[in-house]
Amino acid sequence: GENVEQHPSTLSVQEGDSAVIKCTYSDSASNYFPWYKQELGKGPQLIIDIRSNVGEKKDQRIAVTLNKTAKHFSLHITETQPEDSAVYFCAASITGGFKTIFGAGTRLFVKA
Amino acid sequence: DTGVSQNPRHKITKRGQNVTFRCDPISEHNRLYWYRQTLGQGPEFLTYFQNEAQLEKSRLLSDRFSAERPKGSFSTLEIQRTEQGDSAMYLCASSPGVGLSFGSTDTQYFGPGTRLTVL
Repeated sequence: GENVEQHPSTLSVQEGDSAVIKCTYSDSASNYFPWYKQELGKGPQLIIDIRSNVGEKKDQRIAVTLNKTAKHFSLHITETQPEDSAVYFCAASITGGFKTIFGAGTRLFVKA
Repeated sequence: DTGVSQNPRHKITKRGQNVTFRCDPISEHNRLYWYRQTLGQGPEFLTYFQNEAQLEKSRLLSDRFSAERPKGSFSTLEIQRTEQGDSAMYLCASSPGVGLSFGSTDTQYFGPGTRLTVL
């Protein structure tokens, strides 16, 4: 069945450093890839997304890249800040569809 | 607050009891989703509504689970005869429908979740 693998499960970085989280999806029909940030006691919040017709997208300190051939996509956070500490989830779905498959999450710690 | 709301935020119950959770989506959204999230895992899809029609159910949704969206607005998720394995965070999300001028049908907005503990 459909699957999204996410690595690493835990990531610890020093404030100001960059963080990279990588995901791989199995369903080649997937064409929409959102990233969510979940803070303690809250639901996931969308931070950025990318569609399969685009290879890269950037929003301030956050960027996502997509390699459709390899079925890989990655989240890049630059100049990390303590408030970036949270759990990050990648996900994959088909445009207009209803089912989103999530990765297992990456717990990011940013040390001040 | 115009976001997705869920009630209650926390529920502690004894094994065998029935529980019901409520989700109020963003008012303009006609798509509504329920997910279950266990510790250290990502959300797992449970079921999906378009307006009042329940269009898809995951095999994770056993016969003890039922979801409704009677008027195409709020939704309820009921778990009958709860088991300890039902302990999890139950998340609701909504997204705009096709044809609406704002937002993408793909972008799901999540509520804060209901944390269920079955003793």
